[in-house]
Amino acid sequence: DAKTTQPTSMDCAEGRAANLPCNHSTISGNEYVYWYRQIHSQGPQYIIHGLKNNETNEMASLIITEDRKSSTLILPHATLRDTAVYYCIVRVDGAAGNKLTFGGGTRVLVKP
Amino acid sequence: KAGVTQTPRYLIKTRGQQVTLSCSPISGHRSVSWYQQTPGQGLQFLFEYFSETQRNKGNFPGRFSGRQFSNSRSEMNVSTLELGDSALYLCASSVGDRDNSPLHFGNGTRLTVT
Repeated sequence: DAKTTQPTSMDCAEGRAANLPCNHSTISGNEYVYWYRQIHSQGPQYIIHGLKNNETNEMASLIITEDRKSSTLILPHATLRDTAVYYCIVRVDGAAGNKLTFGGGTRVLVKP
Repeated sequence: KAGVTQTPRYLIKTRGQQVTLSCSPISGHRSVSWYQQTPGQGLQFLFEYFSETQRNKGNFPGRFSGRQFSNSRSEMNVSTLELGDSALYLCASSVGDRDNSPLHFGNGTRLTVT
């Protein structure tokens, strides 16, 4: 699976949008971008995923650049409960099974 | 729908012992994966089972093994425990039919080896 690069940490003000970048310059055509987050002492929580097009759900938006070499996860109105480690993962399509390769993630701290 | 359930939540074992962890996937999910999380190595893939067969395997020694039952529930076993096996063990399930349905994780079993 392609490797991803994320900032180690970032702060965000409560109520503001949080934009989390991810570089995946070696991504292949059949690899999806997935985002998970992990709140302390809990299992990773699925947020969103996409292949080429931008995606939005009730939790977040995912913006993937046209060349697919980077993406941004947007939390539109960050709350204190969004404080977590966020993981950007690229994953080969399901034909290869369900192995996820996690990097170090971005530690996001939402401040009042 | 109930989420992924892992039992027990906490476990303390002594070096040399063995341990069995259990995972009940989301109803209808046929793929179960196991991950180990430590402060030093982060989240690492152990193995994946689909329809009672191991489909993928990570780079862990043979002391780590697993199995999946016909109802998709899974167990993982670690034999001859070492201090370095202390970790959070996470189970994830997905529909698994070689699609891109996301994996859903349980809250893990925290194993401490003394």
